Amino acid sequence: EAGVTQFPSHSVIEKGQTVTLRCDPISGHDNLYWYRRVMGKEIKFLLHFVKESKQDESGMPNNRFLAERTGGTYSTLKVQPAELEDSGVYFCASSSRQGSTWQYFGPGTRLTVT
Amino acid sequence: EDQVTQSPEALRLQEGESSSLNCSYTVSGLRGLFWYRQDPGKGPEFLFTLYSAGEEKEKERLKATLTKKESFLHITAPKPEDSATYLCAVQVNTGGFKTIFGAGTRLFVKA
Repeated sequence: EAGVTQFPSHSVIEKGQTVTLRCDPISGHDNLYWYRRVMGKEIKFLLHFVKESKQDESGMPNNRFLAERTGGTYSTLKVQPAELEDSGVYFCASSSRQGSTWQYFGPGTRLTVT
Repeated sequence: EDQVTQSPEALRLQEGESSSLNCSYTVSGLRGLFWYRQDPGKGPEFLFTLYSAGEEKEKERLKATLTKKESFLHITAPKPEDSATYLCAVQVNTGGFKTIFGAGTRLFVKA
């Protein structure tokens, strides 16, 4: 069974540019979560999808971040325009039951904004 | 404010030297407490979930326990391959399923 995959593994962009991160959850997992870890800080929750609907987006830092999950399969997280403080590692996780504690994490996308 | 604090930040052990990692939490409503292992360059790997005070879970050399205010991850006779960052996280009752992570404990086990 394939795990959670994320693309790209690493992205370097300039301040003001746009970047789109992609997450493919484990097949059949309705729940998809985005997290990020800024350098030296703990992993922070960004949002939670149940199928294509946003269940909780209380962790999204501002309106420069847009998450979508069309069709309830893969998800994208767009940052536009990127700022220096957006640098960090963005993780995606999925689970089969709503609120399931058994969340499978992807390897993360390391975003560097220069 | 909901908060998760892990200690120590780093722990160096000799192979076979047992020890414990601590996770203390202050949350408005606890749905569950999780322990994850994270290796460099990889995502967190799920280890345990604990739901109520007094609960214990075991897996190989690891044992997790939970009280009303904290959780411990006990490592018995660790091996070098146990070296990793161990993350504690709590899922809170907010109507959604928000998960709050601690900063982690970096464990180094020397042969």
